[in-house]
Formats: sequence, structure tokens, C-alpha cells
Amino acid sequence: RKEVEQDPGPFNVPEGATVAFNCTYSNSASQSFFWYRQDCRKEPKLLMSVYSSGNEDGRFTAQLNRASQYISLLIRDSKLSDSATYLCVVNAGSARQLTFGSGTQLTVLP
Amino acid sequence: EPEVTQTPSHQVTQMGQEVILRCVPISNHLYFYWYRQILGQKVEFLVSFYNNEISEKSEIFDDQFSVERPDGSNFTLKIRSTKLEDSAMYFCASSGNQDYGYTFGSGTRLTVV
Repeated sequence: RKEVEQDPGPFNVPEGATVAFNCTYSNSASQSFFWYRQDCRKEPKLLMSVYSSGNEDGRFTAQLNRASQYISLLIRDSKLSDSATYLCVVNAGSARQLTFGSGTQLTVLP
Repeated sequence: EPEVTQTPSHQVTQMGQEVILRCVPISNHLYFYWYRQILGQKVEFLVSFYNNEISEKSEIFDDQFSVERPDGSNFTLKIRSTKLEDSAMYFCASSGNQDYGYTFGSGTRLTVV
């Protein structure tokens, strides 16, 4: 079983649409959870941390279900600039190593 | 906004040659990392560094790899004898607090020919 598993997509959605990404992780000892975005041939950039209570940042909402080892990201009112690969990232249960999912590719169409 | 700086942005080297990839982490960060991403694949952890020593390393980080913090600002990754399969984007990252994610540099694209 992959440590962090994501639907690779691609997701092609029109501007203004709402899109949801899901992620599952295998290590129940994982402590920290993140969503990063990565543009083509660029570095990963932190989008948001994910907390057990769920958290929202503008059009982005992240949720964590520890019991199901499941993380989600919801993007509302999609913009063209949201087109990127979205990476689900968890710490590996150890203090400093992050484990990345393979990413979900999003294209927002005009 | 503080950033992690990596040089060079692209390096081409012949198989068997040594390369040194350079990074300047964010100045008040305490933890430093190297990750790599082979084209079309996921980002993979190589090594973490804290208090002037390696704190964790992956199985990718074999004897051909080494890291160093030669002064108060630079953090380097050396590959002693490059192989074709070392071709990848290498990202340096730093963090001051584990719970809030890392800041990644823009990467060095290493091409081994």
C-alpha cells in the first residue's frame, strides 16, 4: 500500500467550479498534514496545513479524518491561477521527514 | 518574504563526475533538508540536518551522497560519482517549526549524461 495515496486526475473544471481532492495515508502515527501546490517544473509551495478541526483559508477548505486516515481539500470558485498539481503531504511519524503523495493535477478552463 | 536560495538552477554533468549543489536556507531556520523529484514522479526525501549533523536519511541517500554546512549560511549536497539515475530536480528546504511545513528552494535540475 502506498504511504500517501491520491487520485492522480487530471481534473479539468470550468472557472467558478468547486472541486474536491482526496488523500489517504497509511501511517497511523503521522502527526502533521499539509497540502502543497506545485506548478510545472517548480518547487512545492505550502498551500495550507490541515488540522483535526478542519480549517479554511479563503476559497480553500481542508479536512482531516484521523480515524479513516483521510485528508481532503476543497477549492471553491476555481480560478485559472489554481491550475497546478496539488500534493498531499504527511510527516512520516518521525520528527522531520515528509512523505509526499504523487499529486493530483488540476486544470481550470476558461 | 524570506526564501531558500539554490544554485545552480541547472547543472549538466558527465556520469562519474562529482557535483555539489548549493543552498542558502532561511536565516533563522534550524532544520535543513534535501529532497529530489525525478521527472514525472513524486517528491522523495533524501536527508534532514540539524545541529550540524544528519538527523535522518532515506535509503536513497547512500554512500555516494553527503551533506555539509560549511559556514553559517550555506548547506550543500554532494554526489560523489554521479549515475544516470541521479538525474532529477533536487530541492533544498528549511524549517523552523515542524508543524507548519517547510519552505522549499526553487530547485537545481541535475542532468547526468
